Amino acid sequence: QQQVKQSPQSLIVQKGGISIINCAYENTAFDYFPWYQQFPGKGPALLIAIRPDVSEKKEGRFTISFNKSAKQFSLHIMDSQPGDSATYFCAASSPGGYGNKLVFGAGTILRVKS
Amino acid sequence: EPEVTQTPSHQVTQMGQEVILRCVPISNHLYFYWYRQILGQKVEFLVSFYNNEISEKSEIFDDQFSVERPDGSNFTLKIRSTKLEDSAMYFCASNTRSSQPQHFGDGTRLSIL
Repeated sequence: QQQVKQSPQSLIVQKGGISIINCAYENTAFDYFPWYQQFPGKGPALLIAIRPDVSEKKEGRFTISFNKSAKQFSLHIMDSQPGDSATYFCAASSPGGYGNKLVFGAGTILRVKS
Repeated sequence: EPEVTQTPSHQVTQMGQEVILRCVPISNHLYFYWYRQILGQKVEFLVSFYNNEISEKSEIFDDQFSVERPDGSNFTLKIRSTKLEDSAMYFCASNTRSSQPQHFGDGTRLSIL
């Protein structure tokens, strides 16, 4: 029940196209859903995050769509660029306690072809 | 922009030896975390730390692991007797409050021979 399932495992998109990565969860106690971007040799960097009280959040070319009833959320990268080529991780955490551990999805390797 | 700093970037150790991984969290952050990522796999939570105490730990974080905040700036992860399967990237993270985004360092690659 603590798992976050992420798909696809890898994705190839043409420059200018839309990249879509999906995640699903079971634990209804999760209340924070961040997306992290990771380049080779670097740590995960927070890209965008959402809480379940909104269905969509947009920051520049990046949008999170959230479906609370389906327990699914997705990342959309509009006008994908070669510089977006990286590994993307969705994650989730639940409130309470001292520190909120993040449960990560398995990651999606995105390659944007120029 | 302030960042989480980890040292060393790469540590090579013989199996059975002790290793200490070091982290300097962002200065006004109060919550600290260690995660690990085995090559090609997802990032896994190890432990969270607040107010000089472990607040939560995973099944991975057994008696061979310990964490410490020896002074006002450093946060360390010690593995007492390393095993081959401890080979991974270890990431330190921190945040100001538990509800705020976690900021990650660039990790220490630990290679056990």
